[in-house]
Amino acid sequence: KNQVEQSPQSLIILEGKNCTLQCNYTVSPFSNLRWYKQDTGRGPVSLTIMTFSENTKSNGRYTATLDADTKQSSLHITASQLSDSASYICVVSDNTNAGKSTFGDGTTLTVKP
Amino acid sequence: DTGVSQNPRHKITKRGQNVTFRCDPISEHNRLYWYRQTLGQGPEFLTYFQNEAQLEKSRLLSDRFSAERPKGSFSTLEIQRTEQGDSAMYLCASSFRHDEPEAFFGQGTRLTVV
Repeated sequence: KNQVEQSPQSLIILEGKNCTLQCNYTVSPFSNLRWYKQDTGRGPVSLTIMTFSENTKSNGRYTATLDADTKQSSLHITASQLSDSASYICVVSDNTNAGKSTFGDGTTLTVKP
Repeated sequence: DTGVSQNPRHKITKRGQNVTFRCDPISEHNRLYWYRQTLGQGPEFLTYFQNEAQLEKSRLLSDRFSAERPKGSFSTLEIQRTEQGDSAMYLCASSFRHDEPEAFFGQGTRLTVV
């Protein structure tokens, strides 16, 4: 069964600090891995997408890494801001025609002043 | 606004009533997905359209749920005889590329069944 597990479940950091969120997956055959940011009561917004051959991708202060061998990904947030407070969801798609995706339950990040 | 649009944003209904949600995807996107999300969980796949064809349905989509995309553009999700367990956020997503199926999500419809 395809699964995506994220850790930690929640995280509180001070403004300006860095943090790293983890994602482990067991999705096969692998197509791509995406990180989304979801503000409370809003739809998810795509941050990064990585395919099998990519092991790092940045989007501003967000940097995602992918280790396809160990089936692990991380999302690093640099110099956090209050607006980074949100849920961060890891999504892994398989390589079938429908591109079926498996979602993690997210990490809830709270940035405090 | 050229993003994915969902209406209504919020819906409160009494148990047993029927509700219908609408999703307008980005105009050139031929793939459309519906998800359900409960508090503290990631979105759960409900169904998927490619153009007007409904190609996949989750077992979560009980016989009380039906989705349509009659002209391959907007889509509707109907829930009949709502139950309290149906209370959730219903998300729609669309994409054009096969390898980026949920590149764009709508803002969701928050359903509360009382």
